[in-house]
Amino acid sequence: DAKTTQPNSMESNEEEPVHLPCNHSTISGTDYIHWYRQLPSQGPEYVIHGLTSNVNNRMASLAIAEDRKSSTLILHRATLRDAAVYYCILRIYNTDKLIFGTGTRLQVFP
Amino acid sequence: DVKVTQSSRYLVKRTGEKVFLECVQDMDHENMFWYRQDPGLGLRLIYFSYDVKMKEKGDIPEGYSVSREKKERFSLILESASTNQTSMYLCASSFDRYEQYFGPGTRLTVT
Repeated sequence: DAKTTQPNSMESNEEEPVHLPCNHSTISGTDYIHWYRQLPSQGPEYVIHGLTSNVNNRMASLAIAEDRKSSTLILHRATLRDAAVYYCILRIYNTDKLIFGTGTRLQVFP
Repeated sequence: DVKVTQSSRYLVKRTGEKVFLECVQDMDHENMFWYRQDPGLGLRLIYFSYDVKMKEKGDIPEGYSVSREKKERFSLILESASTNQTSMYLCASSFDRYEQYFGPGTRLTVT
């Protein structure tokens, strides 16, 4: 199964942008890139997904490198409620299977 | 809002007991999943189901079984609980392949 590599932790100040990196050098041409986050004492929640093009939604933006070997989740203005573990996940085309790694723990300071 | 509920937030069982973890979703989703989450290992898929009475093994099915008699309910069964099954168990459901909705989790301790 294709794997992702993320930093263990990152820090940000409130109202600043946050760029969370993810490397996936073994991605295949049809693997989708998903991001989930897990707030303390909760189950993971979906953030965003993409295949080749950059994507935006109300929660975040996803920037995908041209060679697709890396991607970046962008939180445009971090809030205290964004403190969570962020998972970058590859999903094999035509399956529902998500392979979670250990994620990046984001701390947000006031 | 989609809601996925799990029968207990915390559960303590003894070694050798049969354990049932229940999960219910209220959005008529076809797909349901069971994961376990352990420190340093992330979430690992145990079983999933695409429809009533259908099940597929995930990455770590050993020691577990599942039941899906109704579309909204997906049960995880530990036939004979062991201490290495102490973990956080998370249920999820989905309509499509893009977004899974997770429940709050059940922290199971086997003593």
